[in-house]
Amino acid sequence: AQSVTQLGSHVSVSEGALVLLRCNYSSSVPPYLFWYVQYPNQGLQLLLKYTTGATLVKGINGFEAEFKKSETSFHLTKPSAHMSDAAEYFCAVSGSPRGSYIPTFGRGTSLIVHP
Amino acid sequence: DTGVSQNPRHKITKRGQNVTFRCDPISEHNRLYWYRQTLGQGPEFLTYFQNEAQLEKSRLLSDRFSAERPKGSFSTLEIQRTEQGDSAMYLCASRPDRSSSYEQYFGPGTRLTVT
Repeated sequence: AQSVTQLGSHVSVSEGALVLLRCNYSSSVPPYLFWYVQYPNQGLQLLLKYTTGATLVKGINGFEAEFKKSETSFHLTKPSAHMSDAAEYFCAVSGSPRGSYIPTFGRGTSLIVHP
Repeated sequence: DTGVSQNPRHKITKRGQNVTFRCDPISEHNRLYWYRQTLGQGPEFLTYFQNEAQLEKSRLLSDRFSAERPKGSFSTLEIQRTEQGDSAMYLCASRPDRSSSYEQYFGPGTRLTVT
């Protein structure tokens, strides 16, 4: 079984401030972890992913995330928020003993950026 | 590369009517997935295909739902006797069969409103 918990349904930051979106996961097998972004009335776009290897992964638009196995976490950060970062962010875990690797998504965190 | 496309983008229907959605995956992507996303939630898995074979169905996929991928290319999702609870965004995603990261590519979604 696998699950994702995203702490905070809404995160509000000022433009230029640090962005931190939290994600904790549960998986019975070594997980693949993803962060997706969704703009209104659009599909999901991949920001970054962790599969194996380096635990700090860099993605698009200046985002990065660190896989911490001991904490079962995969938090998303960005040093300086832009107005264009305002969107819904989803963390997902994918890992299946049966090999289907169907992802389970968190409930999402809405990022609000104030001028 | 035209990406994953979905049609229609929006559908308004009356309760009790049947609706059908279409998804065209990225060419050469063997695997195709359907998700449902309700307001304030992450995508929830419905079903997936490997080529024309439907390999897994979620318990969310009631008897009123049916999905097909007859030639292993585009897929359709039909909902019979729609209910107000079916109102949601229906997302389609695809990925290559041989993918080391299991990353999925999402379409823009079809928003269904049942009145």
